[in-house]
Amino acid sequence: DAGVTQSPTHLIKTRGQHVTLRCSPISGHKSVSWYQQVLGQGPQFIFQYYEKEERGRGNFPDRFSARQFPNYSSELNVNALLLGDSALYLCASQQGTANTGELFFGEGSRLTVL
Amino acid sequence: ILNVEQSPQSLHVQEGDSTNFTCSFPSSNFYALHWYRWETAKSPEALFVMTLNGDEKKKGRISATLNTKEGYSYLYIKGSQPEDSATYLCAPFNDYKLSFGAGTTVTVRA
Repeated sequence: DAGVTQSPTHLIKTRGQHVTLRCSPISGHKSVSWYQQVLGQGPQFIFQYYEKEERGRGNFPDRFSARQFPNYSSELNVNALLLGDSALYLCASQQGTANTGELFFGEGSRLTVL
Repeated sequence: ILNVEQSPQSLHVQEGDSTNFTCSFPSSNFYALHWYRWETAKSPEALFVMTLNGDEKKKGRISATLNTKEGYSYLYIKGSQPEDSATYLCAPFNDYKLSFGAGTTVTVRA
């Protein structure tokens, strides 16, 4: 079975542009979460979606939005990009939402904002 | 946002030696602690999910202990091998999210 897949793997944008990152969870997983990892720090929580509904949102500005589709895949959108948005964006899927449930991560989308 | 601290930030270990490092987290409202291993250019891989005070988990040469009352967990690597070189992240999980520490980067020298 395929693991969590993310696209694109790398992309370069300029300030003010917007970006859409995509994630396909493991088959059968209904929960998708997004994390941002900046060099030198641990991943920071952005969103969690379960059954197409937002269940949690981290401390990120409204420029960040996400959605989950009927097939449980997800998109993360970032508008009006800033230099500080340069980071690795990780997607993770989980069967449910239990605190004890293992999260499975993709390899990430590395965004560079110039 | 939970304050999760991992120490040391990095360490170098000679092949064959054993090592351990620490994760500290708020003990209140604790539900579960996750440990991840993250190799360069790969995806973070779950090592352990721990919930009970005094819990000890083991996977091969890697083991972890948990103290929920004082808010810390230790991860041990016995007989380190070059393939153990990675960043090890801990993260309490509650309110639908993992709150990661900055990680401990382990480099095993042959």
